[in-house]
Amino acid sequence: TQLLEQSPQFLSIQEGENLTVYCNSSSVFSSLQWYRQEPGEGPVLLVTVVTGGEVKKLKRLTFQFGDARKDSSLHITAAQPGDTGLYLCAGLTSGTYKYIFGTGTRLKVLA
Amino acid sequence: SQTIHQWPATLVQPVGSPLSLECTVEGTSNPNLYWYRQAAGRGLQLLFYSVGIGQISSEVPQNLSASRPQDRQFILSSKKLLLSDSGFYLCAWSSGGRFAYNEQFFGPGTRLTVL
Repeated sequence: TQLLEQSPQFLSIQEGENLTVYCNSSSVFSSLQWYRQEPGEGPVLLVTVVTGGEVKKLKRLTFQFGDARKDSSLHITAAQPGDTGLYLCAGLTSGTYKYIFGTGTRLKVLA
Repeated sequence: SQTIHQWPATLVQPVGSPLSLECTVEGTSNPNLYWYRQAAGRGLQLLFYSVGIGQISSEVPQNLSASRPQDRQFILSSKKLLLSDSGFYLCAWSSGGRFAYNEQFFGPGTRLTVL
């Protein structure tokens, strides 16, 4: 069974601090996606990384795909209260149409 | 542009009653369609996915079923709901094919409470 473990599970920080969320697996994925979800809403896609070692930046968010395409990280610089939410990673299983979701990281940024 | 709709938004049903949740996608053709369930504040559990009309793959054995009667319509059903069926149900679509750059987009979700 493929699993994607996210860490930390919960994170509460002050506005302006930096943070990193990790997404790890023993399986190789064709691609990996990061989402942010607000309570009561569907997840919203932030980024897709495909190539091993790929780094993508979205304003204050930096996403990295591991060289072996088994893990990924999300780094937020100078966090703001608007970054509060549930962050989910999802890996596209090689050769299939199935996405495996991580366990989620709940982030709270205090003003 | 593509949009995805789900209804109803919320549903409260008694144990043993039937269920029908509907999902439709606009602005694309031959999408891959997915049903997920999410426990409070947790990750998503894949229930069913479909790569074409009438083609359903089940990921979790349970009392739920799915159907795809039209290209852009995906339905989640149950004949008799259990308490454990409560949760947040999400429908998603991605472009047809297995390309790694396929991205998955979600609907607004249905909050189901079984009493």
